[in-house]
Amino acid sequence: QKEVEQNSGPLSVPEGAIASLNCTYSDRGSQSFFWYRQYSGKSPELIMSIYSNGDKEDGRFTAQLNKASQYVSLLIRDSQPSDSATYLCAVNEGGSYIPTFGRGTSLIVHP
Amino acid sequence: DAGVIQSPRHEVTEMGQEVTLRCKPISGHNSLFWYRQTMMRGLELLIYFNNNVPIDDSGMPEDRFSAKMPNASFSTLKIQPSEPRDSAVYFCASSLGDRSADTQYFGPGTRLTVL
Repeated sequence: QKEVEQNSGPLSVPEGAIASLNCTYSDRGSQSFFWYRQYSGKSPELIMSIYSNGDKEDGRFTAQLNKASQYVSLLIRDSQPSDSATYLCAVNEGGSYIPTFGRGTSLIVHP
Repeated sequence: DAGVIQSPRHEVTEMGQEVTLRCKPISGHNSLFWYRQTMMRGLELLIYFNNNVPIDDSGMPEDRFSAKMPNASFSTLKIQPSEPRDSAVYFCASSLGDRSADTQYFGPGTRLTVL
């Protein structure tokens, strides 16, 4: 059974710090990796996708993928209180269009 | 684009009643997903449609749940009879095609409370 694991948190960081969110997955055939942000009472929204090993940067967000170690992480630089949300990791096995979601990590950025 | 549209946004019903949730995917998207989210179990996939055909319904909890997609712009998720343990937020999501790299776009969700 495919599993995507995340620390539920909450992860608490001060404003301006770097927040590091981690996700591990069990299926070595996984090809596509996504980070979704979900504010309380709202629906998940995609913030980053990554498909190959290494880093991918988009503004204050950096996704890191290491397929050999089967983990994907999300770094948020210069964290802001508005980044406070739950971050969901989603993983698609190669050839499958059905993602497996992790339970999410709650991030709290305090002023 | 209006995004994925779901109705109703909130539903409160009594145990044993039939509940129908509705979804309109983004125009041009060929894949549609129904999810259920609870604090205990997180986000669970219930059923996946591609080109209006159910491809994977292994996540549907039991026979009380059924889903249809009569055309490319409309889908329903029905629970009959409803039970208190069905209380959750139900999300519909759509994506452009059937590739693993396709991004899913979520609707606002329907918060279901079964008393």
